[in-house]
Amino acid sequence: EAGVVQSPRYKIIEKKQPVAFWCNPISGHNTLYWYRQNLGQGPELLIRYENEEAVDDSQLPKDRFSAERLKGVDSTLKIQPAELGDSAVYLCASSSQGPHRNNEQFFGPGTRLTVL
Amino acid sequence: GENVEQHPSTLSVQEGDSAVIKCTYSDSASNYFPWYKQELGKRPQLIIDIRSNVGEKKDQRIAVTLNKTAKHFSLHITETQPEDSAVYFCAASKTGGFKTIFGAGTRLFVKA
Repeated sequence: EAGVVQSPRYKIIEKKQPVAFWCNPISGHNTLYWYRQNLGQGPELLIRYENEEAVDDSQLPKDRFSAERLKGVDSTLKIQPAELGDSAVYLCASSSQGPHRNNEQFFGPGTRLTVL
Repeated sequence: GENVEQHPSTLSVQEGDSAVIKCTYSDSASNYFPWYKQELGKRPQLIIDIRSNVGEKKDQRIAVTLNKTAKHFSLHITETQPEDSAVYFCAASKTGGFKTIFGAGTRLFVKA
């Protein structure tokens, strides 16, 4: 079984430029998460999708960040324009949620973003 | 708001010794507590989890304990090996589709 796939693995851009990250979750997983992980810190949730619906985007900086999950499968996370402080690893995770299931999340390898 | 505190931030042990990492959570409704291991440059991977209806769970050299009253849970690694060296994250969430809050992580060094 393939795990969570993310691309690109690394991205270096100059500030004020746009950038996009792509995630393909594990097949059948209806819940998808985007996290930001700063160096030496734990993952911080940016947005959570249940199928195609964003059910928690309270931590997403909406002035510059946007996300979509068309058809409830793949997802993209976009930053426009990027700032120096956006440098981090962006992790995608997926899980198979339900009222009686635990929240075991499977993480992708992440995209390491460097903003110069 | 919801918060998970994790201690220590760094832990160094001798190979063969035990390591203990402790976490506290603020949301008393949390009922699912996973632990993730993240090796340098790699993705976090679940190593063990515990639900609130259980006080302790063990899997070979790894065990987790939960004290719901104190809102405290701990990871215990016995007979540590150099390959246990990594960053360990605790987390707390509620089943049924709620946000998972991660601790800040503990960097474990196992010296050979």
